[in-house]
Amino acid sequence: GAVVSQHPSRVICKSGTSVKIECRSLDFQATTMFWYRQFPKQSLMLMATSNEGSKATYEQGVEKDKFLINHASLTLSTLTVTSAHPEDSSFYICSAGASGGLETQYFGPGTRLLVL
Amino acid sequence: GDSVTQMEGPVTLSEEAFLTINCTYTATGYPSLFWYVQYPGEGLQLLLKATKADDKGSNKGFEATYRKETTSFHLEKGSVQVSDSAVYFCALKSQKLVFGQGTRLTINP
Repeated sequence: GAVVSQHPSRVICKSGTSVKIECRSLDFQATTMFWYRQFPKQSLMLMATSNEGSKATYEQGVEKDKFLINHASLTLSTLTVTSAHPEDSSFYICSAGASGGLETQYFGPGTRLLVL
Repeated sequence: GDSVTQMEGPVTLSEEAFLTINCTYTATGYPSLFWYVQYPGEGLQLLLKATKADDKGSNKGFEATYRKETTSFHLEKGSVQVSDSAVYFCALKSQKLVFGQGTRLTINP
């Protein structure tokens, strides 16, 4: 099946710094990528949907200036957590959409962010 | 809004035991329902799905039936293996995918 990678898998940073997470579709082109966030023992929550070459669409309650999403090519999307704070500590998961509907998303393994 | 509630884990079973992971949902309309599995170090993978009431999704020995009357989509497997150890997510599709919180399953030999 299609493979999606995320880098880094884990990151620890100091409060106030920015962190960039990369999501790559390795063997297919993804016109749409999704970014999710998961708190411990809670659901994956969709943060935003990004289409290549256009601005991301953010879910209600997600600060677009806080979570910058760039989808510059058909195989790469990045999520930048700006001026990170301890409450941003979470598990961030991306997925890349192929044709076939919303359920045909290929998920990355996730990035665990810890902000000290 | 739409939501999914699934059995809180972790669940620990012995090999060859019968597995049930409960999942119920709240949604307007008639969503499609899914089970995803996440093996250690990997991304979520679609395990099975059902698109309408009374449909049964099945894959790798796992089954789930779309029960509209009870708004449920429980995951079952008759005889689990150590390799089934993973986190399982129930989800529904409306305008977006809505996930449950995941259930960690550990199978001991």
